[in-house]
Amino acid sequence: AQRVTQPEKLLSVFKGAPVELKCNYSYSGSPELFWYVQYSRQRLQLLLRHISRESIKGFTADLNKGETSFHLKKPFAQEEDSAMYYCALRHGNKLVFGAGTILRVKS
Amino acid sequence: DTGVSQNPRHKITKRGQNVTFRCDPISEHNRLYWYRQTLGQGPEFLTYFQNEAQLEKSRLLSDRFSAERPKGSFSTLEIQRTEQGDSAMYLCASSGPNQPQHFGDGTRLSIL
Repeated sequence: AQRVTQPEKLLSVFKGAPVELKCNYSYSGSPELFWYVQYSRQRLQLLLRHISRESIKGFTADLNKGETSFHLKKPFAQEEDSAMYYCALRHGNKLVFGAGTILRVKS
Repeated sequence: DTGVSQNPRHKITKRGQNVTFRCDPISEHNRLYWYRQTLGQGPEFLTYFQNEAQLEKSRLLSDRFSAERPKGSFSTLEIQRTEQGDSAMYLCASSGPNQPQHFGDGTRLSIL
């Protein structure tokens, strides 16, 4: 069955430190993966999708089919990156989400 | 375009009452999705429309739940005979073909 696992509920880092939010998936087929972000009091919004292979707000994510992972990375965290981050997998017409990781960037 | 719009933002009701939520998608999007999110979890898929046709329903969508999209534009989600376990955030999203889903602010349902 398709599943997305985000093992950390909370990740706390200092400003300027590197960030890696982990995401593992299980899917029989060619996966399409996304990272969504939800800032305080805002709606869920798309951060990036693996097929675009782009960097948004300094974040990148590489699909590793061997390790079935799609970790989100940023070399230098900023305070405005503090938010809830969800990894999601597209399965047919729907998205399957992980439980989310809260990123807290401390000054 | 202000994006996906959901009303109301918050609904408080007594157990056993019926409730209806509305979603207005981004105007050029023909695909519309409903999700439910409970505390500490990511959104879970409920149902999907392409234009006015409801093409997929999750097993989470019990027979007390019904969704419609009569003219292929806005959609409604109705819950009949609400139960405590229905308390959640109900999210609507829309997209074009092969495009990412854009989410609304959600409707938070609280059952007393």
